[in-house]
Amino acid sequence: EAGVVQSPRYKIIEKKQPVAFWCNPISGHNTLYWYRQNLGQGPELLIRYENEEAVDDSQLPKDRFSAERLKGVDSTLKIQPAELGDSAVYLCASSPGVGRTGELFFGEGSRLTVL
Amino acid sequence: AQTVTQSQPEMSVQEAETVTLSCTYDTSESDYYLFWYKQPPSRQMILVIRQEAYKQQNATENRFSVNFQKAAKSFSLKISDSQLGDAAMYFCAYTRSGSRLTFGEGTQLTVNP
Repeated sequence: EAGVVQSPRYKIIEKKQPVAFWCNPISGHNTLYWYRQNLGQGPELLIRYENEEAVDDSQLPKDRFSAERLKGVDSTLKIQPAELGDSAVYLCASSPGVGRTGELFFGEGSRLTVL
Repeated sequence: AQTVTQSQPEMSVQEAETVTLSCTYDTSESDYYLFWYKQPPSRQMILVIRQEAYKQQNATENRFSVNFQKAAKSFSLKISDSQLGDAAMYFCAYTRSGSRLTFGEGTQLTVNP
């Protein structure tokens, strides 16, 4: 079974530039999450999808962050324009949902450095 | 709001010995789930162990076991017979319903040969 795939693994950009991250969840996992992990801290939820619907985006800074999950499969997280404080690892995770509460399968993350 | 606290930023253990990582949480709920996740360097985070609050029996997974003290809101992870591959950042996490996990700040575990 293929795991959660994220790209790019690393991205370095200058502030005010746009950046996008892509995630392909495990096949059959209807729930997809984007988390942000700052250095030395635990992940914090940005957005959660159930199929193609964003059901929890309360933590997403909507002035500069956007996300989509077309067709309920892969997803893209975009930041425009990036700020210095956006430097972090962006983690994508998926979950099979019912019966396995809280069991998330994470990708390797996309490390963003904003200069 | 639920909070998860890991008071040990770093821990170390000798190979083959036992180590316990601490976690406390705050919630007003009676039904919830607790987890320990492991994040090795530059690798993806994986689930180590899961505990349902309604279960009195502590969860175990091979060398990993938990001490769940519901009244004290404490959830510690014991790693027995520590191996070099156990070296990682360990995160304690809480969820009420599975829709949102709240993570602690993590404990960096070093395993010394």
